[in-house]
Amino acid sequence: SAVISQKPSRDICQRGTSLTIQCQVDSQVTMMFWYRQQPGQSLTLIATANQGSEATYESGFVIDKFPISRPNLTFSTLTVSNMSPEDSSIYLCSVEAYRGSSYNEQFFGPGTRLTVL
Amino acid sequence: GQQVMQIPQYQHVQEGEDFTTYCNSSTTLSNIQWYKQRPGGHPVFLIQLVKSGEVKKQKRLTFQFGEAKKNSSLHITATQTTDVGTYFCAAQGYSTLTFGKGTMLLVSP
Repeated sequence: SAVISQKPSRDICQRGTSLTIQCQVDSQVTMMFWYRQQPGQSLTLIATANQGSEATYESGFVIDKFPISRPNLTFSTLTVSNMSPEDSSIYLCSVEAYRGSSYNEQFFGPGTRLTVL
Repeated sequence: GQQVMQIPQYQHVQEGEDFTTYCNSSTTLSNIQWYKQRPGGHPVFLIQLVKSGEVKKQKRLTFQFGEAKKNSSLHITATQTTDVGTYFCAAQGYSTLTFGKGTMLLVSP
């Protein structure tokens, strides 16, 4: 298993500002993922954070809006830039636990609850 | 990308009643995972199904993967208040997961 922490746990931000969310894992992992979950909704993958290369973004998400860093195998940051109220959501990071050919469950951090006014 | 449809969106049962959520895909899935998210919590992995027709049990929970690997179900027998939460299925792509919309389960004592 993997233990994941996120900072901050929650924040209230003003429109037009940016917030950087940190994700720390207690072990080295190859792949880290950033999701967005709006209240009562499902999880939407924003991007995959790769160590040593640029993040891979899903359709509808761009680097200018959600820049990601992955400086090492245990840490990643997601920045939500030039925020608007529509960015209010829970942001979750996760890592993949690879146990061999048949197991690749994901472990999730506790999430960062963002409210944009 | 892959899409998975999950039904129902919401179910409210009395404690002791059974509960089932269904997940369907238009394409064949390599595998499917199930997660549970308690209110205010984060998703927690429950199980992964890989083989056609696979059935796995975890105490009162029974997970099935269809013969065509296009659908899956999670059945809870004799629900308890601790079962409250949202249950998500997730389809494995090349390196990412696509989550269904989830089924929110409410259990009244």
